Amino acid sequence: AQSVTQPDIHITVSEGASLELRCNYSYGATPYLFWYVQSPGQGLQLLLKYFSGDTLVQGIKGFEAEFKRSQSSFNLRKPSVHWSDAAEYFCAVGPPQGSNYKLTFGKGTLLTVNP
Amino acid sequence: KAGVTQTPRYLIKTRGQQVTLSCSPISGHRSVSWYQQTPGQGLQFLFEYFSETQRNKGNFPGRFSGRQFSNSRSEMNVSTLELGDSALYLCASSPGTVQTGELFFGEGSRLTVL
Repeated sequence: AQSVTQPDIHITVSEGASLELRCNYSYGATPYLFWYVQSPGQGLQLLLKYFSGDTLVQGIKGFEAEFKRSQSSFNLRKPSVHWSDAAEYFCAVGPPQGSNYKLTFGKGTLLTVNP
Repeated sequence: KAGVTQTPRYLIKTRGQQVTLSCSPISGHRSVSWYQQTPGQGLQFLFEYFSETQRNKGNFPGRFSGRQFSNSRSEMNVSTLELGDSALYLCASSPGTVQTGELFFGEGSRLTVL
């Protein structure tokens, strides 16, 4: 069965510092990969996605993620964090084909940004 | 273009009652999925509907059910509520015909069971 692991439950960074959130997945084939962000009391917003091709993908709000097949990882990065980036971040995987579609989410990483 | 709309946003019920949550997808989207989010279990898939048919179902008891109408709006129902059903219930829509994988989420309905 597919699974997603986000090893860091909570990360604290200073504003302006760089950020890397880790995500590892277990899947039978290369899945679709996603990062979502959730602000308090809100739904999930898609930051970026990987389907195929270039392993470095760019997303909204200055985020990027790199797919590494050999490590089954899809880590999220941002060179300089802003206070407004404080939120919970979820990595997710989905099947690359088929009509029975669902996403499997990691447990999330809560990001705190210090001024 | 309006986003995914969920109603009600907040509700409080007591054990044994039932609840119905509503979701209006983005215009033109025919697939609606439901997820339960709790601090302990995280985000868990409930079910997905496409053109009024349930295409996929997660590992939840039969107390959890849903349906989709011809206008793609969806409802989910939880009967005989238990304390553990307290959660944020998120609805997501997608075009559904081609699996692009991207889901668009609503803000959720927060259910508290007392």
